[in-house]
Amino acid sequence: DAGVTQSPTHLIKTRGQHVTLRCSPISGHKSVSWYQQVLGQGPQFIFQYYEKEERGRGNFPDRFSARQFPNYSSELNVNALLLGDSALYLCASSPLGDTIYFGEGSWLTVV
Amino acid sequence: QKEVEQNSGPLSVPEGAIASLNCTYSDRGSQSFFWYRQYSGKSPELIMFIYSNGDKEDGRFTAQLNKASQYVSLLIRDSQPSDSATYLCAVIPIGGGATNKLIFGTGTLLAVQP
Repeated sequence: DAGVTQSPTHLIKTRGQHVTLRCSPISGHKSVSWYQQVLGQGPQFIFQYYEKEERGRGNFPDRFSARQFPNYSSELNVNALLLGDSALYLCASSPLGDTIYFGEGSWLTVV
Repeated sequence: QKEVEQNSGPLSVPEGAIASLNCTYSDRGSQSFFWYRQYSGKSPELIMFIYSNGDKEDGRFTAQLNKASQYVSLLIRDSQPSDSATYLCAVIPIGGGATNKLIFGTGTLLAVQP
């Protein structure tokens, strides 16, 4: 079975622009979470969706938003990009309450 | 006090030795505990998880949980140079089961010397 897939792998954006990151969970997993990892730190929780409903939100500004589609794939959107948004964005897939697997991540550089 | 604390290292061990990685957490009600391995430039890879007090073994890896002391550890037996990576400890805090919200430590860098 395919693992968690994320796209794009790498991208460069300019300050003030908008970015959309995409994630497809492991087949059968209905829960998708998003994390941000900056260099030298552990991942930080941004959002979690289960059955297309937001189940949790971390301490991130309203510039960050997400949604989950009927096929359980998900998008993370970030508006008005700042230099500090440069990070590895990770999507995690899980059958709720069980093991949590990460995708390969999307490396975002804001210049 | 950070919610999940790890020594950043580097922890250097010779090849074939036992590497011991430690993690403490502040939320006494934390439910689930995870260890991830992260190679430089890569995403975290799940090694194992533990829910109950005691030891859990999987191959060369053993996770140990002591909820009374709010302490979780990972032992790697017969360490290999390929084990050199950052090891991330993560917990699901009380009430977090509905969200699968993982709280991570900053990770411990392990270096296995050939």
